[in-house]
Amino acid sequence: DQQVKQNSPSLSVQEGRISILNCDYTNSMFDYFLWYKKYPAEGPTFLISISSIKDKNEDGRFTVFLNKSAKHLSLHIVPSQPGDSAVYFCAASPYGTSGTYKYIFGTGTRLKVLA
Amino acid sequence: NAGVTQTPKFQVLKTGQSMTLQCAQDMNHNSMYWYRQDPGMGLRLIYYSASEGTTDKGEVPNGYNVSRLNKREFSLRLESAAPSQTSVYFCASSERVEQYFGPGTRLTVT
Repeated sequence: DQQVKQNSPSLSVQEGRISILNCDYTNSMFDYFLWYKKYPAEGPTFLISISSIKDKNEDGRFTVFLNKSAKHLSLHIVPSQPGDSAVYFCAASPYGTSGTYKYIFGTGTRLKVLA
Repeated sequence: NAGVTQTPKFQVLKTGQSMTLQCAQDMNHNSMYWYRQDPGMGLRLIYYSASEGTTDKGEVPNGYNVSRLNKREFSLRLESAAPSQTSVYFCASSERVEQYFGPGTRLTVT
């Protein structure tokens, strides 16, 4: 049973437009949510996080929105750039004791930004 | 400042062989993790270590053992490799919410 789902395997967006990547979860005990970007043959790179006490977090071109009642989060990238083309993973974890968080990852969405 | 490093980058094993994947971090993080990623799937947690001297099972621990050698190093051992363990293995470390990943080890078991 997948606790974290990314239902869109791929997404294509024109350069300069907004990219919206979605993620759904089922476990109401999740407290922290992260987004990662992954290029081929590299490890995932941390992008942005949000805790369950917030509904929005921004960092430059990246904004994450959390809708707890719908158990849904989304990552907005504005404006999209060709270098954003990668696989994006969302991950969720309950509150971590001793600073240790056991994340459950979604299956990823491949974003292609067209020049 | 190298972050999280992993060795080797690639490895091919025959069924039944053993090997150890090495991971080291230079960020002075307390927590370290091992994940595997299979095609079309997200990363799955194998084992984690909250601090030096402690380890605990994650979602998919069967067939693996780990050692937290010191604060910097966390190794993953396959005692008797099986084709089902063909995967890309990632090590990560953290001090707070975000985890920082190494470049991965691509392991093939024939």
